[in-house]
Amino acid sequence: KNQVEQSPQSLIILEGKNCTLQCNYTVSPFSNLRWYKQDTGRGPVSLTIMTFSENTKSNGRYTATLDADTKQSSLHITASQLSDSASYICVVSAESGGGADGLTFGKGTHLIIQP
Amino acid sequence: DTGVSQDPRHKITKRGQNVTFRCDPISEHNRLYWYRQTLGQGPEFLTYFQNEAQLEKSRLLSDRFSAERPKGSFSTLEIQRTEQGDSAMYLCASSLGDRAGNTIYFGEGSWLTVV
Repeated sequence: KNQVEQSPQSLIILEGKNCTLQCNYTVSPFSNLRWYKQDTGRGPVSLTIMTFSENTKSNGRYTATLDADTKQSSLHITASQLSDSASYICVVSAESGGGADGLTFGKGTHLIIQP
Repeated sequence: DTGVSQDPRHKITKRGQNVTFRCDPISEHNRLYWYRQTLGQGPEFLTYFQNEAQLEKSRLLSDRFSAERPKGSFSTLEIQRTEQGDSAMYLCASSLGDRAGNTIYFGEGSWLTVV
């Protein structure tokens, strides 16, 4: 069964500090992995999409890494800001569709940035 | 605004009533998805369309739920005889084509509260 596990479930850090969120998956055959940011009460917004051949991808202060061998991804946030407070959702796609059009969602990591 | 549009954003209804949500995807996006999300959880797949064809329905989509995309553009999600357990945010998303790497864009969601 395709699964996406995210850790930690929640995280509180001080403004200006860095943090790393984890995503482990068992989706097969793997196609790509996406990270989304979801502000409270809003829809998710795409941060990055990574395919099998990509190890690192950056989007401003957000840097995602992918290790397709160990089936792990991380999202690193540098110099956190209050506006980074949100849920971060990992979504993994399987090739050739499959159930739910091949998309498996993690439950998200709830990040709180404190001033 | 050319993003995914959902209406209404909030709906409070009495148990047993019917409700309908509308989603207008990004123009030219032929894939349209519906998800349900409860507090602290990731989005749960309900159904998706390729143009006007409904390609898959989750087992979460009981016979009280129906989704349509009659002309391959906007979509509606109707819930009949609402129950308190239907209270959630209903997210619509769209993407272009059937390439697994295409970005999926989410709307802001429609919040449903059944009292």
